[in-house]
Amino acid sequence: QQQVKQSPQSLIVQKGGISIINCAYENTAFDYFPWYQQFPGKGPALLIAIRPDVSEKKEGRFTISFNKSAKQFSLHIMDSQPGDSATYFCAASIGNTGNQFYFGTGTSLTVIP
Amino acid sequence: DAGVIQSPRHEVTEMGQEVTLRCKPISGHNSLFWYRQTMMRGLELLIYFNNNVPIDDSGMPEDRFSAKMPNASFSTLKIQPSEPRDSAVYFCASTSNGRTYNEQFFGPGTRLTVL
Repeated sequence: QQQVKQSPQSLIVQKGGISIINCAYENTAFDYFPWYQQFPGKGPALLIAIRPDVSEKKEGRFTISFNKSAKQFSLHIMDSQPGDSATYFCAASIGNTGNQFYFGTGTSLTVIP
Repeated sequence: DAGVIQSPRHEVTEMGQEVTLRCKPISGHNSLFWYRQTMMRGLELLIYFNNNVPIDDSGMPEDRFSAKMPNASFSTLKIQPSEPRDSAVYFCASTSNGRTYNEQFFGPGTRLTVL
């Protein structure tokens, strides 16, 4: 059973465009929502994370939008660059309870020059 | 800090052979996770440990898989006997308990190919 559902599976965006990746969850006990970025041949690395007490978090060109009532959150990459081409995973966890992360299935992003 | 260290980085073996993957977590981290990544199934949690104790191994696919964490600085994932469908990239990740929101730090992975 997939605790966190992620879409789309793959995404192709022109350089300078906006990339949007969506995730949805069911467990209302989740209270930490990180996004991980993975380049080919590397392990995933934390990109940005949000807690449900805010509706948006921005770090540079990366923004997480969080809709608690809809149980959805999304990653927006503004002014997408070829260097952003990677696989992106959303995840959810419950505080520090065991620290288990429930990952989405991943989105392969390709930014075309 | 050297980050999470995994060895070997690549492993090619024949069906039926025993495979042992190794992980050294970041010093001071007390939670360790083993993941498997494939194109078909994405990133799957296999097992995780807190303070060297296995907490949840429900993701371990079969009895052929076993994991140990004899001390805070070392863990192994063993597959015996290995099968072609075990071919995947295996990641180890670690994090530190005690903070409310924790980042998992991933190692570079071990790419396993079973022929």
